[in-house]
Amino acid sequence: KNEVEQSPQNLTAQEGEFITINCSYSVGISALHWLQQHPGGGIVSLFMLSSGKKKHGRLIATINIQEKHSSLHITASHPRDSAVYICAVSDQNNDMRFGAGTRLTVKP
Amino acid sequence: DAGVIQSPRHEVTEMGQEVTLRCKPISGHDYLFWYRQTMMRGLELLIYFNNNVPIDDSGMPEDRFSAKMPNASFSTLKIQPSEPRDSAVYFCASSFFPPDTQYFGPGTRLTVL
Repeated sequence: KNEVEQSPQNLTAQEGEFITINCSYSVGISALHWLQQHPGGGIVSLFMLSSGKKKHGRLIATINIQEKHSSLHITASHPRDSAVYICAVSDQNNDMRFGAGTRLTVKP
Repeated sequence: DAGVIQSPRHEVTEMGQEVTLRCKPISGHDYLFWYRQTMMRGLELLIYFNNNVPIDDSGMPEDRFSAKMPNASFSTLKIQPSEPRDSAVYFCASSFFPPDTQYFGPGTRLTVL
């Protein structure tokens, strides 16, 4: 079993829909990261959080430390949100572990 | 700042050749990370440095891989000899004290024939 599990693996949505991507992990962590990988391959760090909730524009990330679970939400999705979203955790030794990614396609 | 700079962006080489990938982190960042991404294994952390010193190289696949950081503004990842299974995209990232937000470079796409 992977230490970082993401769901769903693939997600197709219509423009304007509310999107949720989930991440569960099984190790103790010091922080959780959400990354976005564009179709061209570039990686952007969206959020780094260790508790609670963070918001940036239409993106919201939440984490529940007790349940070892995080969600990434996208409100009013747009085709330019189409990308692979990767959940990663930093463990107590600051080693990073990655989920397999969720491929999001937003259709106009 | 220009962000994390990696070179080359693409590298095609033949099996057995030495390959050197280069990274310039964001000025002022204390940490530098090397990652590899393949379809089969996704993103993997290979090694990271703190203040130019390698901290954890447990992700380096084997002795053919080596990484150096001779100064705060430059790091190399070397593969010698290269093999076809090394074909992947290699990312470099830098950050302030981790686990702070990491800033990724554009990646180097390596193809070993």
